[in-house]
Amino acid sequence: ETGVTQTPRHLVMGMTNKKSLKCEQHLGHNAMYWYKQSAKKPLELMFVYNFKEQTENNSVPSRFSPECPNSSHLFLHLHTLQPEDSALYLCASSPDFGEPLHFGNGTRLTVT
Amino acid sequence: AQRVTQPEKLLSVFKGAPVELKCNYSYSGSPELFWYVQYSRQRLQLLLRHISRESIKGFTADLNKGETSFHLKKPFAQEEDSAMYYCALSPLSGGYNKLIFGAGTRLAVHP
Repeated sequence: ETGVTQTPRHLVMGMTNKKSLKCEQHLGHNAMYWYKQSAKKPLELMFVYNFKEQTENNSVPSRFSPECPNSSHLFLHLHTLQPEDSALYLCASSPDFGEPLHFGNGTRLTVT
Repeated sequence: AQRVTQPEKLLSVFKGAPVELKCNYSYSGSPELFWYVQYSRQRLQLLLRHISRESIKGFTADLNKGETSFHLKKPFAQEEDSAMYYCALSPLSGGYNKLIFGAGTRLAVHP
């Protein structure tokens, strides 16, 4: 599949679980992003990776741990989450400076 | 502080009526502005950007620096325009797009 692919589409986890979200892009883009979309709140930027280097951490709690092993893959490792972390997590990528973002379909996370 | 405000959560119009989705921003420099759209069961995607100055699906948006606005307009709404619309701002720095989104406006076009 071309574009930005996120897996899984849905995830239910307990507060003591450890899980990971995966994002993959084959668009040749240099930057990758994690956004959080909660009910009744605007999309919030979490992390930015540019050429595999983390360039932005938007005051995200340490229970969210990103990993970017190469420019095509981005992970978000989750551990000891809280119910308020339930949200839609969107991955995006973009080519060079000034170019628009391409979004994945998102992972719907529910923390019980 | 950098902020994007979309004052309307829901805009409901009839087919053929004009549409204006409001967007105001707060940013001290010269930002780049975008409109993203999310149709039902589809991913968030770019609709248009101010530097392109083009019309996409009949929509246009003009950047008004004096009023710090970037309203999205269409003269005659169609049912297929029903979707969530997000205004976004990107500060022109950093070498990548740190998009700051508004809360979104749901456009409902009725037959």
